[in-house]
This record gives sequence, C-alpha cells and structure tokens, in this order.
Amino acid sequence: EVQLLDSGGDLVQPGGSLRLSCAASGFTFSSYAMSWVRQAPGKGLEWVSDISGSGRTTYYADSVKGRFTISRDNSKNTLYLQMNSLRAEDTAVYYCGKGTADFWGGYDYWGQGTLVTVSS
Amino acid sequence: QSALTQPASVSGSPGQSSTISCTGTSSDVGGYNYVSWYQQHPGKAPKLMIYDVSNRPSGVSNRFSGSKSGNTASLTISGLQAEDEADYYCSSYTISSTRVFGGGTKLTVL
Repeated sequence: EVQLLDSGGDLVQPGGSLRLSCAASGFTFSSYAMSWVRQAPGKGLEWVSDISGSGRTTYYADSVKGRFTISRDNSKNTLYLQMNSLRAEDTAVYYCGKGTADFWGGYDYWGQGTLVTVSS
Repeated sequence: QSALTQPASVSGSPGQSSTISCTGTSSDVGGYNYVSWYQQHPGKAPKLMIYDVSNRPSGVSNRFSGSKSGNTASLTISGLQAEDEADYYCSSYTISSTRVFGGGTKLTVL
C-alpha cells in the first residue's frame, strides 16, 4: 500500500526557515517524480515544486523560486522541502504528491498535509 | 503563470450529469495532453480522478470522464451521487515546464 507521511510544519516568523519531510513507502521511491503542492487557508491548490526520480531535475513555481529547495534521499525514501525567507503568503497546508508513471501526468497519491504558519 | 479558469460552482441532482470546465491557453491546456483532475473533500487531501486528459486511475468510478477541446478541458460526472459533492481542481503542464492549477469548482449535489 502506498503511503506518504508529511511532517515538519510549524509556526515560524517572517524571514525564518523550515524544512518539510515526506516519508514514502509501498512503492519504488526512486522510480517516480515527487512534488509539493500547497493550499492556503480557504483557498485553492497551488503547485510549488517537482523533482525527478533521480533527483537531478527540479522545477519551481515563480512564487518560491530562489527561496525554496526541493530534494530527495532515495536511500531513505524521503522527500524534502527546504523553505527559506518565509513570508506570510507562504502560510498553507503543504502536501507531498507522488507522480504517475508519466512525469507530467499528475499525482496519484498524496500525503495528509502539514501546516506551515508564517506569522510574528 | 495565471491559474486556469474554472467556474466557482456547479450543481446537479442525484442521477443527473454535471460538467466542469477548465480553460487555459495554448501554452498549457491547449498545447499538451497533460491535464489532470482532482477531487477534494473538506479537510482531506486531494484525490486524482483523471490524468492525461481522459485516463482514469485504477479504482476511480467510470462515472468520471475527461475530455479536451482546444484550450478547454472538461470533467463530466454522470449519475451524480451525494458522495460526489466536493471541490474539483484541474491542473495542466505548461510551456515553462511548470504546472498550474485551476481555481477550483464546488460541486453541489442537490
């Protein structure tokens, strides 16, 4: 059974940093692209970042480029999102997602989400 | 990258069909067959319903179908059931090698 467990969300001050983790199980982790998608309170979904199965290729939304870094440790079956220079508008539930066999095909499994609150 | 355009809300009676549209541009929806649709119930994670415009993942009811014409993709739900009441989001690959979501549509089953 595929499982994704998001963690690391917290209350952080503007300008601060946070690292999210997503522990994966039930599939060959290194064979699939992974992603982060966020949802601000009461708002819609917003794509944040994708990473290839090998970890060599990454993609970012303009809103986080230069501040967030996606990475993965295939030996630990874990996905990460390092978030720096956090802003109030980064406040959201962050979900990790597993890509389908086709890299850009969508996300067929999601974590339960972890809440990041940026506030002083 | 601007969000894809979805109606804020749609509704239908049990047993009827309902269609949700998702309008983009030739740089996203119209240019690639990488449109996916997600269902989200309140307080829950999204669930993939359709990928690559019209493909259903294993376990998703065949009452859900997807299509595309030009820059507009559509999700059709036939035989509406109470459990279909949820928010629905479309997403597309873009020419910039990024993804974009629609603003979301609230489906109400009357």
